[in-house]
Amino acid sequence: EAQVTQNPRYLITVTGKKLTVTCSQNMNHEYMSWYRQDPGLGLRQIYYSMNVEVTDKGDVPEGYKVSRKEKRNFPLILESPSPNQTSLYFCASSSGRGYTFGSGTRLTVV
Amino acid sequence: AQSVTQLGSHVSVSEGALVLLRCNYSSSVPPYLFWYVQYPNQGLQLLLKYTSAATLVKGINGFEAEFKKSETSFHLTKPSAHMSDAAEYFCAVMNYGGSQGNLIFGKGTKLSVKP
Repeated sequence: EAQVTQNPRYLITVTGKKLTVTCSQNMNHEYMSWYRQDPGLGLRQIYYSMNVEVTDKGDVPEGYKVSRKEKRNFPLILESPSPNQTSLYFCASSSGRGYTFGSGTRLTVV
Repeated sequence: AQSVTQLGSHVSVSEGALVLLRCNYSSSVPPYLFWYVQYPNQGLQLLLKYTSAATLVKGINGFEAEFKKSETSFHLTKPSAHMSDAAEYFCAVMNYGGSQGNLIFGKGTKLSVKP
């Protein structure tokens, strides 16, 4: 089954403790992206990747890092999480004609 | 730069009434346009998409949208609302092809359906 898999689904962490949210797709898509969703703000793009070793900032990249060492994986790294990064995060991959989204990761930073 | 504007953060209709959710886009090249639905505590589900074929696009659950280039609009409609349609709806635009594959979302419209 074609899918984008994010882990974990839920995460509560403390301020400053580094964390990684994993994202993997099995569709051989070149394009992958991370979004965060906040009430009243819709989904805003954090980072995207056009291909292996090619990443670029989206609209809200501050406080996040990404890497794309393999085509299928696109992890989101929060090196020093802060409470304003509490949000719902979605990973997505695209063939250029449409997107497939993961199920989301609800992150709470206390 | 691309952008999407959804008019009305909240829309309330009665069961059986027409649903109309408005979306206007800005794009420098012919776009792909999408509507997604998000039910409470769930992920994003694709309702329908416009990819430069027919301007009237039919989606799932009885929804449809019409691409109007002259008005730069892609409004979502459903003739008769059902209680199960209560959800948040997102319009999104993407420039197809080349390196312009970013999907840009509107801020969403929350639909309430009254009995």
